[in-house]
Amino acid sequence: GNSVTQMEGPVTLSEEAFLTINCTYTATGYPSLFWYVQYPGEGLQLLLKATKADDKGSNKGFEATYRKETTSFHLEKGSVQVSDSAVYFCALSGGNTPLVFGKGTRLSVIA
Amino acid sequence: DAGITQSPRHKVTETGTPVTLRCHQTENHRYMYWYRQDPGHGLRLIHYSYGVKDTDKGEVSDGYSVSRSKTEDFLLTLESATSSQTSVYFCAISKGDRQDRETQYFGPGTRLLVL
Repeated sequence: GNSVTQMEGPVTLSEEAFLTINCTYTATGYPSLFWYVQYPGEGLQLLLKATKADDKGSNKGFEATYRKETTSFHLEKGSVQVSDSAVYFCALSGGNTPLVFGKGTRLSVIA
Repeated sequence: DAGITQSPRHKVTETGTPVTLRCHQTENHRYMYWYRQDPGHGLRLIHYSYGVKDTDKGEVSDGYSVSRSKTEDFLLTLESATSSQTSVYFCAISKGDRQDRETQYFGPGTRLLVL
């Protein structure tokens, strides 16, 4: 079945550092891939998505590229801010199946 | 923001009592979902609905039932709550088009404690 594996946290970075959160997936067919973010005390929000191989999703300075050859969708940001502190979830959808989420990676950014 | 509300937002109950959580949407989206969030497990799907009176089980459906009698409301019921059902419960919705169905919008969550 479909599954997502993302790096375990927590990840602690200083402000303006470079961020990478790894995500790899297992799926049949051609899934869509997502990153969701959860700020403290809130529900999840869609951060970015990519629906086919080599697509790059981007939003708020975050980027992720759908790599079919390595079955990966790593999240990156060039310069993190304290306000980026949150839990980040990688997820995939196989079209007619509901989203499958990774376990989440907690990011803490310190000033 | 998508118009999704959950009620109650917090609840404390005792083992063996029934509990119903409500999700209400104002977006007229076809699909609605219930997830639970637990440390070390991420989000796990409990049940989902693809239309009025149309529901299906998710990964962790044992001990839960759902009902959807109107497009805007999706109810999650714990018939006899257990301590293992202590969790944060999230409702989500999606439009129902092939592409848009895959983007889900989440409610604020309900924190449930079963003593």
